[in-house]
Amino acid sequence: EPEVTQTPSHQVTQMGQEVILRCVPISNHLYFYWYRQILGQKVEFLVSFYNNEISEKSEIFDDQFSVERPDGSNFTLKIRSTKLEDSAMYFCASSPQGAPEKLFFGSGTQLSVL
Amino acid sequence: DAKTTQPNSMESNEEEPVHLPCNHSTISGTDYIHWYRQLPSQGPEYVIHGLTSNVNNRMASLAIAEDRKSSTLILHRATLRDAAVYYCLYDSGAGSYQLTFGKGTKLSVIP
Repeated sequence: EPEVTQTPSHQVTQMGQEVILRCVPISNHLYFYWYRQILGQKVEFLVSFYNNEISEKSEIFDDQFSVERPDGSNFTLKIRSTKLEDSAMYFCASSPQGAPEKLFFGSGTQLSVL
Repeated sequence: DAKTTQPNSMESNEEEPVHLPCNHSTISGTDYIHWYRQLPSQGPEYVIHGLTSNVNNRMASLAIAEDRKSSTLILHRATLRDAAVYYCLYDSGAGSYQLTFGKGTKLSVIP
């Protein structure tokens, strides 16, 4: 079965540094998403992306965050200046169509900000 | 905050059916009900979704109350691999996908 691939699986960075988390969604999918899960807490929606633009974003997704689909296969989340509270597991997801179709999640990137 | 209410945890014996309940009393008529699960150290995994009628797939069945204020996820024969946190969610089906995950139900399967 096709999978959403995320790299790296773990990322350690210093506070204030920029990080880029990478995702390869399933090839024929049209909708892309980022979620995050702080250790021991709920999975939280960050942003959804369709037709090369953001379609929805949460309050968490402030000006420090950006997303991009630089080519036909990758989908990236950039955090411009990381903070300690950005430490979390970040999940990329994709779906062939919008709601209510099912989302396919990747295994996540564990981001640790020191 | 989560708009659904689920038990914090449940236990089941292996190879027995499991009924996972969910209350969603504020659901509107066009909101779809979704179930996802999260195995340890993995991303959420889609289980099933439905609107009004009961739904079946190879993983599970979804029984939706007539008033749609509650639903039950049914695993017909629990296996050790089904041990996970199960999330019940709903969305507006408006074209994008801002799912709101709650705390879910942690299912333990006893061999």
